[in-house]
Amino acid sequence: DGGITQSPKYLFRKEGQNVTLSCEQNLNHDAMYWYRQDPGQGLRLIYYSQIVNDFQKGDIAEGYSVSREKKESFPLTVTSAQKNPTAFYLCASSIDRRTGGPLNTEAFFGQGTRLTVV
Amino acid sequence: AQKITQTQPGMFVQEKEAVTLDCTYDTSDQSYGLFWYKQPSSGEMIFLIYQGSYDEQNATEGRYSLNFQKARKSANLVISASQLGDSAMYFCAMREPNSGGSNYKLTFGKGTLLTVNP
Repeated sequence: DGGITQSPKYLFRKEGQNVTLSCEQNLNHDAMYWYRQDPGQGLRLIYYSQIVNDFQKGDIAEGYSVSREKKESFPLTVTSAQKNPTAFYLCASSIDRRTGGPLNTEAFFGQGTRLTVV
Repeated sequence: AQKITQTQPGMFVQEKEAVTLDCTYDTSDQSYGLFWYKQPSSGEMIFLIYQGSYDEQNATEGRYSLNFQKARKSANLVISASQLGDSAMYFCAMREPNSGGSNYKLTFGKGTLLTVNP
């Protein structure tokens, strides 16, 4: 079945360490996104990518980095510069309108990764 | 300024009754899309319903309908005949063009926690 896979589901990191969250999709979607969710804050956009080898900062990109070397993969690295990394991270993908997708293209989400800094 | 505003942090409804979850949005674009997602306690994001800015009729999907009032910039979700399984967080989201003209950036509100009582 097509979908988005995030791994791991739970992740623990020591303070000062970088950690990479995996996101893979087999939906043939061009656009991919990373969101962070904190209690009472809703979803906030970290980074998004419209096409391979291109990505843009979202609203809270500081302390994070991404790469888009393959269409199917959009890993997120939480660096030691991120001051409050403990959160629930959601990856999503959607059809990019420029490649023929309609306006009403919803984003499909992975199951999320819960990151805890210890 | 927030793009998406959900003014109800929490809502309660009796089983089998209808409930309305509020959402207002802010955009200067004429072309945009509005979405509602459900997030159960498991964390996954489930797409519920979509409304396009040019759609003349309110969207409906089973027990979900969207009360779209364009002049007031509101897109309220109506759930009819509530079920216990409807208890979850509900997020309103908007897709609007970025500077490149591609409609893929998706912005979320802070959500409303709905509790359905038996």
